Amino acid sequence: GQQLNQSPQSMFIQEGEDVSMNCTSSSIFNTWLWYKQDPGEGPVLLIALYKAGELTSNGRLTAQFGITRKDSFLNISASIPSDVGIYFCAGPDSNSGYALNFGKGTSLLVTP
Amino acid sequence: DSGVTQTPKHLITATGQRVTLRCSPRSGDLSVYWYQQSLDQGLQFLIHYYNGEERAKGNILERFSAQQFPDLHSELNLSSLELGDSALYFCASSVAVIYNEQFFGPGTRLTVL
Repeated sequence: GQQLNQSPQSMFIQEGEDVSMNCTSSSIFNTWLWYKQDPGEGPVLLIALYKAGELTSNGRLTAQFGITRKDSFLNISASIPSDVGIYFCAGPDSNSGYALNFGKGTSLLVTP
Repeated sequence: DSGVTQTPKHLITATGQRVTLRCSPRSGDLSVYWYQQSLDQGLQFLIHYYNGEERAKGNILERFSAQQFPDLHSELNLSSLELGDSALYFCASSVAVIYNEQFFGPGTRLTVL
């Protein structure tokens, strides 16, 4: 499937700070999805993006579908301790029945 | 709670054994996907079923198989287990065959000793 590269690999921030992470692909996606995974749990869908240039918010989370359709960004404002977890970007692979290709994730740690 | 259920939560077994993992999709969802998550490989797609029919295969070993039953629950069968099969196994469901938003279950942690 298509390769998704996430950066940074990990982030260690203080509560109240804003966070930015991104995801790039070697090929075009028609949809970008952002998931969060807590330790030992399944990924939880945060935001879905369907249109190039689209900016979508979910509470303190805002994600953007890049104009080139090869990248996406996730921002978290005013981070809180429960934001801790691993954030994954994902895109559907039309060659695999629209199964999701996932990035390796960005691990976020928030200190009080 | 995503509405997707998986059993068992944990499974410990020995090399060479066979196990079955079970998944019930969200009410109304016809598509079931299976994924494997390991530390070195990340989340990898294994197989996709839609309304009882296999639709696509990913990085699934020949020792692994799956099926989706008329009530739409799915089972993933892993046989001749090896140490390297130890991982988290997730199923995800979605409404249709081509619908990008997938909802994940809590996973089954398989440990092969």
